Amino acid sequence: QVQLQESGPGLVKPSETLSLTCTVSGGSISSYYLSWIRQPPGKGLEWIAYIYSGSTNYNPSLKSRVTISVGTSTNQFSLNLSSVTAADTAVYYCALTAAHRGGFDPWGQGTLVTVSS
Amino acid sequence: EIVLTQSPGTLSLSPGERATLSCRASQGVSSSFLAWHQQKPGQAPRLLIYGASSRATGIPDRFSGSGSGTDFTLTISRLEPEDFAVYYCQQYGSSPITFGQGTRLEIK
Repeated sequence: QVQLQESGPGLVKPSETLSLTCTVSGGSISSYYLSWIRQPPGKGLEWIAYIYSGSTNYNPSLKSRVTISVGTSTNQFSLNLSSVTAADTAVYYCALTAAHRGGFDPWGQGTLVTVSS
Repeated sequence: EIVLTQSPGTLSLSPGERATLSCRASQGVSSSFLAWHQQKPGQAPRLLIYGASSRATGIPDRFSGSGSGTDFTLTISRLEPEDFAVYYCQQYGSSPITFGQGTRLEIK
């Protein structure tokens, strides 16, 4: 079955750019919406962005700082979040959405990114 | 932005009992584009329900979803020990995609 794995630095300094990659195995990403979602420690879920068939959609609350893209490898996609602060400390998840179904399924296991000097 | 409000915040029940979780939207969710996710401590969320009432692959039939418009419900007919977790509703009918704040289902 399709599995996702996030990768990237676990620690980012304030004002720098957070960069994460999601690697998808067991299937092609070409027919899915590709999303990033985050969860601050002890808090709820916040959708960040998705990319689908070359088109992107961003959460307005983060839009000025976020870029989502499909990687050079055919089964990877990435997230860049610029000018980070401590408020961006969270577990970051990548997830897929099948166009005919909806909802996020599957999810990656998540990666904790801490913003601190 | 559609705001989703889940109630109750915490639900205390015993195994074998029936659980009813509510999700209310600040405006109508188009085409019942509403999903429910389960999250256990230290784990990623897992999709349970999409399209308000369709079970995701591998989800037991004790989980059911219902509702339309602004009011949605997740029902767990007979609680198993592994069902105690946090549940989130999520709407994907309009942008931005939003989640409810979660309902914690705990063992009484």
